[in-house]
Amino acid sequence: DAGVIQSPRHEVTEMGQEVTLRCKPISGHNSLFWYRQTMMRGLELLIYFNNNVPIDDSGMPEDRFSAKMPNASFSTLKIQPSEPRDSAVYFCAITLGGNTGELFFGEGSRLTVL
Amino acid sequence: GQQVMQIPQYQHVQEGEDFTTYCNSSTTLSNIQWYKQRPGGHPVFLIQLVKSGEVKKQKRLTFQFGEAKKNSSLHITATQTTDVGTYFCAPNRGSQGNLIFGKGTKLSVKP
Repeated sequence: DAGVIQSPRHEVTEMGQEVTLRCKPISGHNSLFWYRQTMMRGLELLIYFNNNVPIDDSGMPEDRFSAKMPNASFSTLKIQPSEPRDSAVYFCAITLGGNTGELFFGEGSRLTVL
Repeated sequence: GQQVMQIPQYQHVQEGEDFTTYCNSSTTLSNIQWYKQRPGGHPVFLIQLVKSGEVKKQKRLTFQFGEAKKNSSLHITATQTTDVGTYFCAPNRGSQGNLIFGKGTKLSVKP
């Protein structure tokens, strides 16, 4: 869906490095979500924002993870320092309100930490 | 922890065979959504079920919501290779919304 642009699409980094993943949602969304997907754990909700305010970050694995949404058109997920177990596909998703509350996902950022 | 149980985890079928995946919850759901993720792709919304006993169809796909609103199923008739992917359910438990996904059922179709 062109409604959510994620970057980078792929990143390979070394353990200990800082990683910043970016999400640019289209205007008009009301909530923004960060998910992590691995074979072992499936799709895990990390954090979500309503109107740019973090609502629930209980899914954030540990203090190495942080997420921000400085404005309605931009969000970041940062991992510092990164570890090999952080290797996963990270998805940003939005809802546009309305009746169904369906999630529109970006294409994801595939992170590999060596 | 996992809020819903999705079974089976994997399903291999011959093209033309039917396929069904089930999503079971221990608590009553407000509604349930289904998503499909193609290999290498991202989850894409398929449908939302709201009413007890609701049945909805999309071509060869039939979605059902249980009478008690604790389980749901997705049935594909006469599978095609384009049906390959992982099917996820996402229950809505009221105030928290559709935030948590099942582990998914990965469907492979042999031509």
